[in-house]
Amino acid sequence: EVQLVESGGGLVQPGGSLRLSCAASGFSLSSFWMHWVRQVPGKGLVWVSRISSDGSSSHYADFVEGRFTISRDNAKNTLDLQMNSLRVDDTAVYYCVRSAPFDFWGQGTLVTVSS
Amino acid sequence: EVVLTQSPDFQSVTPKEKVTITCRASQSIGSSLHWYQQRPGQSPKLLIKFASQSISGVPSRFSGSGSGTDFTLTINSLEAEDAATYFCHQSSGWYTFGQGTKLEIK
Repeated sequence: EVQLVESGGGLVQPGGSLRLSCAASGFSLSSFWMHWVRQVPGKGLVWVSRISSDGSSSHYADFVEGRFTISRDNAKNTLDLQMNSLRVDDTAVYYCVRSAPFDFWGQGTLVTVSS
Repeated sequence: EVVLTQSPDFQSVTPKEKVTITCRASQSIGSSLHWYQQRPGQSPKLLIKFASQSISGVPSRFSGSGSGTDFTLTINSLEAEDAATYFCHQSSGWYTFGQGTKLEIK
């Protein structure tokens, strides 16, 4: 069974940092591009970042470019998102998502940026 | 950026009714349009990929059609468990989503 389990969310002050992790199981992570998608509770879905299957290529939405870094460890079956210089409007549930179309989603981890 | 506009934003329907949700793209995206269902408190779930391709495990009452800029998700014979928000998503360029259509079951 494919499972994606995110962790690392929490409350952080504006300007602070947080590192999200996603543990994958039930499939070979190394075969898939992986993504992060976020959602303000009660609102729509917004794509954040993606990384190629071997980790050699990554891309970001304009609003996180230069602040967020996506990475992966295929040997450990994990995907990470390092988030720096966090802003209040980064507050959202962050989902780890497989491939595109997005066929499997984690349960999400809530990031709250507030003073 | 490809903007996806869904209609309606909200619909209240009765069980066994047929529902149609539309998604219009601001430019042609071929068939790179996918549909998701998000039940309250849950993560999104892929329902239809590439406009009309079915997904294993998804009930056959869900179907999709369209190409270019106009797409439709159809739910035949609605069931109570279909109460959810439905999103369209395009993967032709950088990824974007529609604003969502909330389906309420009367």
